[in-house]
Amino acid sequence: KNQVEQSPQSLIILEGKNCTLQCNYTVSPFSNLRWYKQDTGRGPVSLTIMTFSENTKSNGRYTATLDADTKQSSLHITASQLSDSASYICVVSAINSNYQLIWGAGTKLIIKP
Amino acid sequence: NAGVTQTPKFQVLKTGQSMTLQCAQDMNHNSMYWYRQDPGMGLRLIYYSASEGTTDKGEVPNGYNVSRLNKREFSLRLESAAPSQTSVYFCASSVSPADTEAFFGQGTRLTVV
Repeated sequence: KNQVEQSPQSLIILEGKNCTLQCNYTVSPFSNLRWYKQDTGRGPVSLTIMTFSENTKSNGRYTATLDADTKQSSLHITASQLSDSASYICVVSAINSNYQLIWGAGTKLIIKP
Repeated sequence: NAGVTQTPKFQVLKTGQSMTLQCAQDMNHNSMYWYRQDPGMGLRLIYYSASEGTTDKGEVPNGYNVSRLNKREFSLRLESAAPSQTSVYFCASSVSPADTEAFFGQGTRLTVV
């Protein structure tokens, strides 16, 4: 069964600290993986996309990694800011006729001053 | 910069009542989606419309109907609301079904009592 699992479920860190969020998937055949940021009370917004051939991609203070062999991705946030408080959702795209997206449950990140 | 607009933002229904959630996008996207988001779970696809004039069931279609009114608008109808349909509903759109970047509305928080 195609699944996406994220860890931890929630995380609290102090402002200025770094953190890493994990995403493991069993989706096959794999097309790509996206990380979304969802602020409280709003819809998700795409942060970055990782394709099969990409290992690392940065978007400002966000760096995503992908290991297609072990089917793992991570999202590293550097020098966290209060505005980083949000849920971060990993979404994997499966190659099939239904254009299926498999959504993780997300990691809720809280940045404390 | 409207993007995807959903109405209403909040709604309380009694069991058995019906209602329609409205969604419109101004990005000239071909594909539109309705998701529900429940605590501790990933987004689940209810219905989608790959292009104007077509609609297809997603992962959890039971109890819902949709209408792709035109290229801009995609509505979701609950014919007889049940407490199990208490959730946050998101409308989203993308350029095409193969484009995994979806743009989301702000969500509708629905409570069925």
